[in-house]
Amino acid sequence: DTEVTQTPKHLVMGMTNKKSLKCEQHMGHRAMYWYKQKAKKPPELMFVYSYEKLSINESVPSRFSPECPNSSLLNLHLHALQPEDSALYLCASSFPEGEQFFGPGTRLTVL
Amino acid sequence: GEDVEQSLFLSVREGDSSVINCTYTDSSSTYLYWYKQEPGAGLQLLTYIFSNMDMKQDQRLTVLLNKKDKHLSLRIADTQTGDSAIYFCAEGTGTASKLTFGTGTRLQVTL
Repeated sequence: DTEVTQTPKHLVMGMTNKKSLKCEQHMGHRAMYWYKQKAKKPPELMFVYSYEKLSINESVPSRFSPECPNSSLLNLHLHALQPEDSALYLCASSFPEGEQFFGPGTRLTVL
Repeated sequence: GEDVEQSLFLSVREGDSSVINCTYTDSSSTYLYWYKQEPGAGLQLLTYIFSNMDMKQDQRLTVLLNKKDKHLSLRIADTQTGDSAIYFCAEGTGTASKLTFGTGTRLQVTL
Protein backbone atom coordinates (compact mmCIF):
# COMPACT_ATOMS: atom_id res chain seq x y z
CA ASP A 1 0.00 0.00 0.00
CA THR A 2 1.70 3.18 -1.18
CA GLU A 3 -0.91 5.83 -0.69
CA VAL A 4 -2.46 8.16 1.83
CA THR A 5 -6.25 7.96 1.98
CA GLN A 6 -8.61 10.61 3.31
CA THR A 7 -12.32 10.51 4.13
CA PRO A 8 -14.70 12.02 3.39
CA LYS A 9 -13.89 13.51 -0.03
CA HIS A 10 -16.38 16.32 0.52
CA LEU A 11 -17.98 17.66 3.69
CA VAL A 12 -20.58 20.37 4.18
CA MET A 13 -21.26 21.45 7.75
CA GLY A 14 -22.97 24.18 9.68
CA MET A 15 -21.23 26.42 12.17
CA THR A 16 -22.71 24.51 15.13
CA ASN A 17 -21.86 21.02 13.86
CA LYS A 18 -19.13 18.69 15.07
CA LYS A 19 -17.42 16.57 12.41
CA SER A 20 -14.14 14.71 11.91
CA LEU A 21 -11.76 14.26 9.01
CA LYS A 22 -9.85 11.01 8.77
CA CYS A 23 -6.49 10.13 7.24
CA GLU A 24 -4.84 6.72 6.95
CA GLN A 25 -1.54 5.37 5.65
CA HIS A 26 0.04 1.93 5.71
CA MET A 27 3.52 2.81 4.48
CA GLY A 28 5.12 2.55 7.92
CA HIS A 29 5.51 6.33 8.09
CA ARG A 30 5.92 7.75 11.60
CA ALA A 31 5.22 11.41 10.85
CA MET A 32 1.80 12.68 9.81
CA TYR A 33 0.68 16.18 8.89
CA TRP A 34 -2.41 18.33 8.38
CA TYR A 35 -2.30 21.16 5.84
CA LYS A 36 -4.99 23.66 4.87
CA GLN A 37 -5.24 24.94 1.30
CA LYS A 38 -7.42 27.85 0.29
CA ALA A 39 -8.37 28.31 -3.36
CA LYS A 40 -5.51 29.43 -5.61
CA LYS A 41 -3.07 29.38 -2.68
CA PRO A 42 -0.31 26.99 -1.58
CA PRO A 43 -0.89 24.54 1.29
CA GLU A 44 -0.17 25.86 4.78
CA LEU A 45 0.91 23.59 7.62
CA MET A 46 -1.45 23.19 10.57
CA PHE A 47 -0.12 20.30 12.67
CA VAL A 48 2.68 17.70 12.70
CA TYR A 49 2.64 14.42 14.62
CA SER A 50 5.89 12.54 15.06
CA TYR A 51 5.73 9.04 16.59
CA GLU A 52 2.10 9.74 17.54
CA LYS A 53 3.00 12.84 19.53
CA LEU A 54 2.04 16.36 18.50
CA SER A 55 5.29 18.08 17.63
CA ILE A 56 4.17 21.19 15.75
CA ASN A 57 1.03 23.30 16.10
CA GLU A 58 1.19 26.32 13.81
CA SER A 59 -0.98 28.47 16.12
CA VAL A 60 -4.16 26.85 14.84
CA PRO A 61 -7.45 27.92 16.53
CA SER A 62 -8.79 25.46 19.09
CA ARG A 63 -11.89 24.77 16.99
CA PHE A 64 -9.50 22.41 15.10
CA SER A 65 -8.42 19.48 17.28
CA PRO A 66 -6.01 16.87 15.90
CA GLU A 67 -5.70 13.33 17.15
CA CYS A 68 -3.30 10.52 16.28
CA PRO A 69 -4.74 7.26 17.71
CA ASN A 70 -1.93 5.13 16.25
CA SER A 71 0.90 5.32 13.75
CA SER A 72 -1.41 4.73 10.76
CA LEU A 73 -4.29 7.07 11.59
CA LEU A 74 -4.69 10.81 11.90
CA ASN A 75 -7.93 12.61 12.67
CA LEU A 76 -8.92 16.26 12.62
CA HIS A 77 -11.91 17.06 14.81
CA LEU A 78 -13.91 20.13 13.82
CA HIS A 79 -16.23 22.12 16.06
CA ALA A 80 -17.84 25.56 15.76
CA LEU A 81 -16.11 26.35 12.50
CA GLN A 82 -16.48 29.60 10.61
CA PRO A 83 -17.25 30.07 6.90
CA GLU A 84 -13.64 31.25 6.37
CA ASP A 85 -12.48 27.76 7.41
CA SER A 86 -13.86 26.42 4.13
CA ALA A 87 -10.87 24.96 2.28
CA LEU A 88 -9.19 21.78 1.04
CA TYR A 89 -7.69 19.91 4.02
CA LEU A 90 -4.72 17.79 3.05
CA CYS A 91 -3.12 15.03 5.05
CA ALA A 92 0.47 13.92 4.43
CA SER A 93 2.83 11.35 5.86
CA SER A 94 6.54 10.64 5.82
CA PHE A 95 9.20 8.58 7.47
CA PRO A 96 10.78 10.67 10.21
CA GLU A 97 13.09 11.95 7.50
CA GLY A 98 12.33 12.34 3.83
CA GLU A 99 9.67 13.40 1.43
CA GLN A 100 6.04 13.92 2.39
CA PHE A 101 3.32 12.04 0.53
CA PHE A 102 -0.08 13.68 0.30
CA GLY A 103 -3.60 12.32 0.28
CA PRO A 104 -6.31 13.56 -2.11
CA GLY A 105 -7.75 15.94 0.46
CA THR A 106 -11.17 16.67 1.97
CA ARG A 107 -13.04 19.60 0.45
CA LEU A 108 -14.76 21.30 3.43
CA THR A 109 -17.56 23.84 3.10
CA VAL A 110 -18.80 25.63 6.23
CA LEU A 111 -22.20 27.24 5.88
CA GLY B 1 11.39 35.15 6.28
CA GLU B 2 10.36 32.02 4.42
CA ASP B 3 9.01 33.43 1.16
CA VAL B 4 9.16 31.06 -1.78
CA GLU B 5 8.31 32.75 -5.07
CA GLN B 6 7.20 31.35 -8.40
CA SER B 7 5.83 32.93 -11.55
CA LEU B 8 2.04 32.55 -11.74
CA PHE B 9 1.52 31.16 -15.22
CA LEU B 10 3.34 29.39 -18.05
CA SER B 11 1.94 28.37 -21.42
CA VAL B 12 3.78 25.97 -23.74
CA ARG B 13 2.98 23.99 -26.86
CA GLU B 14 2.72 20.22 -26.70
CA GLY B 15 6.10 18.66 -27.42
CA ASP B 16 8.11 21.70 -26.27
CA SER B 17 10.09 21.87 -23.04
CA SER B 18 8.69 23.69 -20.00
CA VAL B 19 10.85 25.41 -17.41
CA ILE B 20 9.28 26.39 -14.10
CA ASN B 21 11.33 28.57 -11.78
CA CYS B 22 11.37 29.03 -8.02
CA THR B 23 13.32 31.27 -5.65
CA TYR B 24 13.56 30.58 -1.95
CA THR B 25 15.05 32.36 1.02
CA ASP B 26 15.74 29.78 3.75
CA SER B 27 19.39 28.75 3.40
CA SER B 28 18.95 26.03 6.04
CA SER B 29 16.68 24.00 3.74
CA THR B 30 18.01 20.50 3.23
CA TYR B 31 15.52 19.25 0.68
CA LEU B 32 13.79 21.04 -2.19
CA TYR B 33 10.74 19.44 -3.75
CA TRP B 34 8.50 19.72 -6.77
CA TYR B 35 4.81 18.80 -6.41
CA LYS B 36 2.08 18.68 -9.06
CA GLN B 37 -1.57 19.44 -8.29
CA GLU B 38 -4.33 18.75 -10.78
CA PRO B 39 -7.73 20.50 -10.35
CA GLY B 40 -9.60 19.28 -7.28
CA ALA B 41 -6.86 16.82 -6.34
CA GLY B 42 -4.14 16.43 -3.75
CA LEU B 43 -0.43 17.00 -4.29
CA GLN B 44 1.67 14.49 -6.21
CA LEU B 45 5.37 14.40 -5.40
CA LEU B 46 7.28 14.62 -8.69
CA THR B 47 10.88 14.78 -7.57
CA TYR B 48 13.20 16.30 -5.01
CA ILE B 49 16.83 17.33 -4.71
CA PHE B 50 19.19 17.49 -1.76
CA SER B 51 20.66 20.90 -1.12
CA ASN B 52 24.20 19.58 -1.73
CA MET B 53 23.34 18.62 -5.32
CA ASP B 54 23.33 20.82 -8.44
CA MET B 55 21.20 18.70 -10.73
CA LYS B 56 18.93 15.68 -10.73
CA GLN B 57 17.40 13.97 -13.74
CA ASP B 58 14.42 11.64 -13.57
CA GLN B 59 13.01 10.58 -16.95
CA ARG B 60 11.43 13.73 -18.50
CA LEU B 61 12.16 15.83 -15.43
CA THR B 62 15.37 17.75 -14.75
CA VAL B 63 15.86 19.74 -11.55
CA LEU B 64 18.57 22.39 -11.35
CA LEU B 65 19.61 24.00 -8.08
CA ASN B 66 21.71 27.15 -7.75
CA LYS B 67 22.28 27.33 -4.02
CA LYS B 68 24.24 30.59 -4.21
CA ASP B 69 21.29 32.38 -5.81
CA LYS B 70 18.68 30.24 -3.98
CA HIS B 71 17.15 29.38 -7.34
CA LEU B 72 15.47 26.10 -8.24
CA SER B 73 14.05 25.09 -11.61
CA LEU B 74 12.07 22.18 -13.02
CA ARG B 75 12.41 21.34 -16.69
CA ILE B 76 9.81 19.06 -18.26
CA ALA B 77 10.94 17.65 -21.61
CA ASP B 78 8.41 16.84 -24.36
CA THR B 79 5.54 18.46 -22.44
CA GLN B 80 2.18 16.70 -22.86
CA THR B 81 -1.40 17.88 -22.29
CA GLY B 82 -1.49 15.63 -19.21
CA ASP B 83 1.22 17.84 -17.69
CA SER B 84 -1.27 20.72 -17.41
CA ALA B 85 -1.56 21.42 -13.68
CA ILE B 86 -0.29 23.69 -10.91
CA TYR B 87 3.32 23.05 -9.92
CA PHE B 88 4.56 23.91 -6.44
CA CYS B 89 8.14 24.02 -5.29
CA ALA B 90 8.65 23.45 -1.58
CA GLU B 91 11.54 23.63 0.85
CA GLY B 92 12.08 21.70 4.04
CA THR B 93 14.64 20.29 6.40
CA GLY B 94 13.70 16.71 5.64
CA THR B 95 12.84 15.73 9.20
CA ALA B 96 9.23 15.70 10.47
CA SER B 97 8.76 19.40 9.99
CA LYS B 98 7.09 22.06 7.96
CA LEU B 99 7.23 22.25 4.20
CA THR B 100 7.10 25.82 2.94
CA PHE B 101 5.46 25.92 -0.45
CA GLY B 102 5.96 28.34 -3.28
CA THR B 103 3.09 30.37 -4.66
CA GLY B 104 2.50 27.83 -7.45
CA THR B 105 2.84 28.03 -11.24
CA ARG B 106 -0.07 27.07 -13.46
CA LEU B 107 1.22 25.24 -16.53
CA GLN B 108 -1.04 25.28 -19.57
CA VAL B 109 -0.14 22.97 -22.46
CA THR B 110 -1.67 23.83 -25.82
CA LEU B 111 -1.96 21.71 -28.96
